[in-house]
Amino acid sequence: EIVLTQSPVTLSSSPGDTVTLSCRASQSISHYLAWYQQKPGQPPRLVMYDGSQRATGIPARFTGSGSGTDLFLTINSLEPDDFGVYYCQHRGSWPPRYTFGQGTNLQI
Amino acid sequence: QVHLVESGGGVVQPGTSLRLSCMASGFDFKTYGMSWVRQVPGKGLEWVAVIWFDGNQKYYADSVKGRFTISRDNSKDTLYLEVNSVSADDTAVYFCAREKEAGGNYFDFWGQGTPVTVSS
Repeated sequence: EIVLTQSPVTLSSSPGDTVTLSCRASQSISHYLAWYQQKPGQPPRLVMYDGSQRATGIPARFTGSGSGTDLFLTINSLEPDDFGVYYCQHRGSWPPRYTFGQGTNLQI
Repeated sequence: QVHLVESGGGVVQPGTSLRLSCMASGFDFKTYGMSWVRQVPGKGLEWVAVIWFDGNQKYYADSVKGRFTISRDNSKDTLYLEVNSVSADDTAVYFCAREKEAGGNYFDFWGQGTPVTVSS
């Protein structure tokens, strides 16, 4: 079973900064990774899928990169609304198993 | 507009059962795979179960296999999760989530969740 490890666990930054979140897989997952943003009391929101494809409504400030075992989410020009916990997620091929990383808490 | 609304959560005693529901609207429910994902308060996300668009295939996380049953009624646009022999470890918010596309790898819409608290 693939294990996803996110770093850092907590990230404090300021509006206007650029931050990069990391998701490391225990084995190669190619580019098959999604990123979700979750704010307190809300469900997760899909931000990025297939490694680098922005979900509907996600601004171009969000960029996904990497492949294999190391994938990244970069957020440029941070805005206050970007805070929250970011989770990476992968679905194993067969049988289907959906694995989440433990999350990175982005504090603005 | 896609809408997923969970219900059926609450406070339940250890060893009992409950059924969670997720009513869908705003899309052609019968053409999408659906999953349940749970989250212990203050903790991360844990995938629980998935069901194919036609209900013919179902898969479970090892942690719930044998105790949880996922099902759907496409005539009612509703997803279900039967939870048996609950324990304190099942205390969590339970979300239903839609697969982004048929056989998809990701979840593009989520409900607000229904909280389940297991307590005597």
